[in-house]
Amino acid sequence: DAKTTQPPSMDCAEGRAANLPCNHSTISGNEYVYWYRQIHSQGPQYIIHGLKNNETNEMASLIITEDRKSSTLILPHATLRDTAVYYCIVRVIATGTASKLTFGTGTRLQVTL
Amino acid sequence: DGGITQSPKYLFRKEGQNVTLSCEQNLNHDAMYWYRQDPGQGLRLIYYSQIVNDFQKGDIAEGYSVSREKKESFPLTVTSAQKNPTAFYLCASSIRQGSYNEQFFGPGTRLTVL
Repeated sequence: DAKTTQPPSMDCAEGRAANLPCNHSTISGNEYVYWYRQIHSQGPQYIIHGLKNNETNEMASLIITEDRKSSTLILPHATLRDTAVYYCIVRVIATGTASKLTFGTGTRLQVTL
Repeated sequence: DGGITQSPKYLFRKEGQNVTLSCEQNLNHDAMYWYRQDPGQGLRLIYYSQIVNDFQKGDIAEGYSVSREKKESFPLTVTSAQKNPTAFYLCASSIRQGSYNEQFFGPGTRLTVL
């Protein structure tokens, strides 16, 4: 699976959009981009995933560049409860097999008043 | 409610003792996983299982053992051979097949070896 690079930490004011970048310059054509987050001392939570098109769900939006070498997770209106470590992961999806995920150290997002 | 349970939340053991961590899921997922997390680090895969009675080593399997006798259960044993067992242990499960394999995580067990 391709490696990812994320800034170690970011701050965001409550109510503002949080834009979390991820670089995955060695991504291959059949690898998806996943985002998970981990609130302190809890298990990680799935947020969103995508291949090449931009994706949006009730939690966030995922913007993937045209060359797929980087992506941005957008939390449109960050709240204090969004304070967490955010992990960007790229991997191949193979039906019929377990989905091994490789977690890096992620970005620690601190949302402040 | 469907989900994954891990018990206990905190576990203390003396050095040299084996300890078994529980993981149960009622999501009807085929695949289950065990991860280890050290302070300030990401998760590392210990073992995973795609189906009952089958499991594979992950990236850091040494000193650990697992079993998968039932679809709902995937217990992890931390043996005395594991040199640095103190860590946060996370269990997860996923649908084996599908367009994406989102993993659902349990709340974790924090193991401290004294």
